[in-house]
Amino acid sequence: SQQGEEDPQALSIQEGENATMNCSYKTSINNLQWYRQNSGRGLVHLILIRSNEREKHSGRLRVTLDTSKKSSSLLITASRAADTASYFCATDQSGAGSYQLTFGKGTKLSVIP
Amino acid sequence: DTAVSQTPKYLVTQMGNDKSIKCEQNLGHDTMYWYKQDSKKFLKIMFSYNNKELIINETVPNRFSPKSPDKAHLNLHINSLELGDSAVYFCASSQSHRGSGYTFGSGTRLTVV
Repeated sequence: SQQGEEDPQALSIQEGENATMNCSYKTSINNLQWYRQNSGRGLVHLILIRSNEREKHSGRLRVTLDTSKKSSSLLITASRAADTASYFCATDQSGAGSYQLTFGKGTKLSVIP
Repeated sequence: DTAVSQTPKYLVTQMGNDKSIKCEQNLGHDTMYWYKQDSKKFLKIMFSYNNKELIINETVPNRFSPKSPDKAHLNLHINSLELGDSAVYFCASSQSHRGSGYTFGSGTRLTVV
């Protein structure tokens, strides 16, 4: 069953601007992860935030997690044309003995040079 | 040194045929997965194997049969292919403990005609 819902579905910005994508989910989670998918390629893991964390940074990426609102956001600062891709959030809601990620439908980001 | 490799990258076949997709990972991960991505980019888990043992088997037609000869390989065999099986199939691997991201293969685009 689908867990994460990304918002917006598509986002177009100018190079140098910041891009913010949001993800909402329905049930309690162990952690939430963000992935990038370039056209015709596999997904690449970007960052993981645990349920007891509120914010995490990695280079130009900043992820926040609000478990009370069951939502997360991914901020890409100073965007580049190479950031053009689809971005997916994935939630780990699995119980003991298994590890499974449930993916959202993704946000398609276009960065215009 | 490809971490998760899938073959073939493209597969075009007629309805009713049987085909296999192979996946190998050289990361030493103990868990492997098959995901299906439809035309709307929605990723849905199909199977998960941990140390050659089936852990997750989502509602997938029994025409789909995974096989894991060892923990570095997870192949997907599909019998009696149907038009609706057309999609991109992704293999992924991870460590089973929480807090590890998935590493994805580059995908196999299956087209059934």
